Amino acid sequence: AQTVTQSQPEMSVQEAETVTLSCTYDTSESDYYLFWYKQPPSRQMILVIRQEAYKQQNATENRFSVNFQKAAKSFSLKISDSQLGDAAMYFCAYRSSNNDYKLSFGAGTTVTVRA
Amino acid sequence: AAGVIQSPRHLIKEKRETATLKCYPIPRHDTVYWYQQGPGQDPQFLISFYEKMQSDKGSIPDRFSAQQFSDYHSELNMSSLELGDSALYFCASSGRDRVSYEQYFGPGTRLTVT
Repeated sequence: AQTVTQSQPEMSVQEAETVTLSCTYDTSESDYYLFWYKQPPSRQMILVIRQEAYKQQNATENRFSVNFQKAAKSFSLKISDSQLGDAAMYFCAYRSSNNDYKLSFGAGTTVTVRA
Repeated sequence: AAGVIQSPRHLIKEKRETATLKCYPIPRHDTVYWYQQGPGQDPQFLISFYEKMQSDKGSIPDRFSAQQFSDYHSELNMSSLELGDSALYFCASSGRDRVSYEQYFGPGTRLTVT
């Protein structure tokens, strides 16, 4: 079974600054997918960014980027130019590339943005 | 664009009652996943269906059952409800081609058991 660990229960960032959320995972597979989901107070789960393990290039989506270190099994999310609307719970998730497509989530990191 | 629809959005039941949650996937998505998110917890996988067949099973209690119908919508049936079943229940859908592997989540059904 895959284990996803988010060691930071809470992070606080000043508006317009940068914050990095950490995520590590444990797997014996070589091909898999990693995701960051955002869950605002509405509780809707919103996909932020996706990374395929076979791709060495780090994924980027506007102000969101990841640092994927496959050997270290690390997948951190960087939020640049933080905005008040970025305040939410962020979940790191793992998905196998085999027939098992379920998502395994970390415990989440609550991000607070200070005006 | 069409999204995943879940109904009802809120449900209040008493202990030992039954509940049925419904999920309507994005058109042309053939896979449905159910997740349970307890208060202050991360979502936990319950069960999934692909082409109307159960494809994977997680930590779903025996009191719960689910199925996917011919129109690809899915229903999660929960019997003998317990206080601990109070949670947010998400349905997510995905297509099976490599590009569409992302799971798109519905808004969730908040179940409160009193």
